[in-house]
Amino acid sequence: DIVMTQSPDSLAVSLGERATINCKSSRSVLYSSNNKNYLAWYQQKPGQPPKLLIYWASTRESGVPDRFSGSGSGTDFTLTISSLQAEDVAVYYCLQYYTTPQYAFGQGTKLEIK
Amino acid sequence: QVQLVESGGDVVQPGTSLRLSCAASGFIFSSYAMHWVRQAPGKGLEWVAATSFDGSNEYYADSVKGRFTISRDNSKNTLYLQMSSLRTEDTAVYYCARDRGLYGDAFFDYWGQGNLVTVSS
Repeated sequence: DIVMTQSPDSLAVSLGERATINCKSSRSVLYSSNNKNYLAWYQQKPGQPPKLLIYWASTRESGVPDRFSGSGSGTDFTLTISSLQAEDVAVYYCLQYYTTPQYAFGQGTKLEIK
Repeated sequence: QVQLVESGGDVVQPGTSLRLSCAASGFIFSSYAMHWVRQAPGKGLEWVAATSFDGSNEYYADSVKGRFTISRDNSKNTLYLQMSSLRTEDTAVYYCARDRGLYGDAFFDYWGQGNLVTVSS
């Protein structure tokens, strides 16, 4: 089974500063036949369901602000918020969908305002 | 707009059964695979089960295999999760989520608000 490990577990960033969250997979999630990384990022605010931010590791979902970006390939991925806003306080999860139907989420990273 | 509304959550005793429902609207339900994902109190997300667009394929996490059954009624735009032999560790908020594809092999693009299941004696 693929294990997804996020770092850090929690993060405090000042408003307007950059926030970076990492996700490492125990095996590559890059599918060589289509050169796509089967990796998504979700944002979950308190009391709300998760919201899709990024899929295929770097494709922003429609309606997601462009301060959110995803990068990486193979086993190492990053979610970057270029200029933190107050409404970005949330827990962020990565998800691998390479080994479907066995999906695996990262443990989550809690993002707070410093 | 896409809406997913779960219902059926309750407080039940260990060893009993419960059925969750998820009513879908705002999209062609029969054209999408669907999933159940759960979140124990204060914990992370755990994928539970998936069904293909037509219900012909079902997939389960090892933690629920043999105890939970996912199904769908495309004529009613409704997804179900039949849970039996419930354990205290099944206590969680259960979300239904839409798969971007047909067969349950893509990411989840829309989620319901969730429904709490509490298993306690």
